[in-house]
Amino acid sequence: EAQVTQNPRYLITVTGKKLTVTCSQNMNHEYMSWYRQDPGLGLRQIYYSMNVEVTDKGDVPEGYKVSRKEKRNFPLILESPSPNQTSLYFCASSLSGGGGSTYFGPGTRLTVT
Amino acid sequence: LAKTTQPISMDSYEGQEVNITCSHNNIATNDYITWYQQFPSQGPRFIIQGYKTKVTNEVASLFIPADRKSSTLSLPRVSLSDTAVYYCLVSMYSGGGADGLTFGKGTHLIIQP
Repeated sequence: EAQVTQNPRYLITVTGKKLTVTCSQNMNHEYMSWYRQDPGLGLRQIYYSMNVEVTDKGDVPEGYKVSRKEKRNFPLILESPSPNQTSLYFCASSLSGGGGSTYFGPGTRLTVT
Repeated sequence: LAKTTQPISMDSYEGQEVNITCSHNNIATNDYITWYQQFPSQGPRFIIQGYKTKVTNEVASLFIPADRKSSTLSLPRVSLSDTAVYYCLVSMYSGGGADGLTFGKGTHLIIQP
C-alpha cells in the first residue's frame, strides 16, 4: 500500500530539547516536503527536497532543519524547539513537485511547553 | 503562484450534489488545478486534478471553463462522511517543478442528515 508514515504521531516536549520527527515513503517519490498547519493560517510549507541531498527552504523554515540522505526518508529536526513551534506537522511526497497527486502523512501533533 | 478564492463554508444535505467553486483569475498557462480534501487531524488527500474542460473520477468531477479563471468541484450524492475541508490549489505543473503546494483556507463543507 502506498503510504507516507510519520513518527511520532504525538509529542509533548519542553523548550530547547532537540527532537526529530521521522518521515518515510514507500513510493520511490523524488519530491518530499514538510508542512505545518495552524488554526487560521492553513498549511504552510517548511522545507522541501527534490531528490537525495537536495533540500530547500519553504515559506516558514526558521527553527527547522531537514536532511535527505536516502530517497525514502526525510526527517524534520527541531534543534531547539520553542512554544511557537507547537503545531500539526505533515510530511508529503510526490513523484515530482507541483500539483501532481501528493501523498500526505497522518500528521504529528507537537506541543512545546 | 496564482491566488485562489473559495467560499469559507458551505452546507448541504445527504444525497445532494455539492458544487464548490474556486476562482483563480491569475492562473498561468502552465498551471493545473488540483483539489484536496482534509478531515480533522488528518493529512490532505488528493481528490482530482485538471487543466481544462471536464475531468471525472470515481470520487468527483472538475469543471473548468475555457478561460480557466475558475473551476468547480462537483461531489455527487454527498454523505455525512464528505464533511471536510476542501482546498483548491493552482500549481505550475502536473508533475515537475520545485514549488510547494500553496494551500489557502479552504472550504469547510458540512453535510447534514
